[in-house]
Amino acid sequence: GAVVSQHPSRVICKSGTSVKIECRSLDFQATTMFWYRQFPKQSLMLMATSNEGSKATYEQGVEKDKFLINHASLTLSTLTVTSAHPEDSSFYICSAGGSPPYEQYFGPGTRLTVT
Amino acid sequence: GENVEQHPSTLSVQEGDSAVIKCTYSDSASNYFPWYKQELGKRPQLIIDIRSNVGEKKDQRIAVTLNKTAKHFSLHITETQPEDSAVYFCAAIIGNEKLTFGTGTRLTIIP
Repeated sequence: GAVVSQHPSRVICKSGTSVKIECRSLDFQATTMFWYRQFPKQSLMLMATSNEGSKATYEQGVEKDKFLINHASLTLSTLTVTSAHPEDSSFYICSAGGSPPYEQYFGPGTRLTVT
Repeated sequence: GENVEQHPSTLSVQEGDSAVIKCTYSDSASNYFPWYKQELGKRPQLIIDIRSNVGEKKDQRIAVTLNKTAKHFSLHITETQPEDSAVYFCAAIIGNEKLTFGTGTRLTIIP
């Protein structure tokens, strides 16, 4: 199956700093990627849909100026958490789909801890 | 938008017994229903999926059934094994749109 990678797998940052997370589709091109956030013992919550060459679509309640998404190529989407706060600590997972995007391939996730 | 409910939230079964997890969805236009298994700290792994033109699908010990009229679908795991212990999520998708996940079921297999 298709492979999606994420980097870094784990990051600890101080409150007020910014963190960038990369999501790559390694063996296929993805015009659309999705970013999820998962708090402990909870489900995956979609944050935004990343569209190659255009602006991301954010879900209700997700601040677009805080969670910056860039999808500059068909194999790379980045999520930047700006001015991070402890409540942003979570497991962030990206996914990309085939065509049609029924089967979603998930990245391994990034554990963000804001101190 | 789509809303997916999942029950139960936790489930414990004896090794060798069967486990059933149920989900309901709200949008009758939903046409794809995957099930994911997630182990602690890892990515969700697709274990089985079903499309809206099919009522049942089976893959070894795992099966999924879909009732479009009632808008619910279920995951069935037979002959459960300790390695089946994980959190399971159902999901639904409409056309080329985004996945909506259920709230998850923590399955524990008791040896």
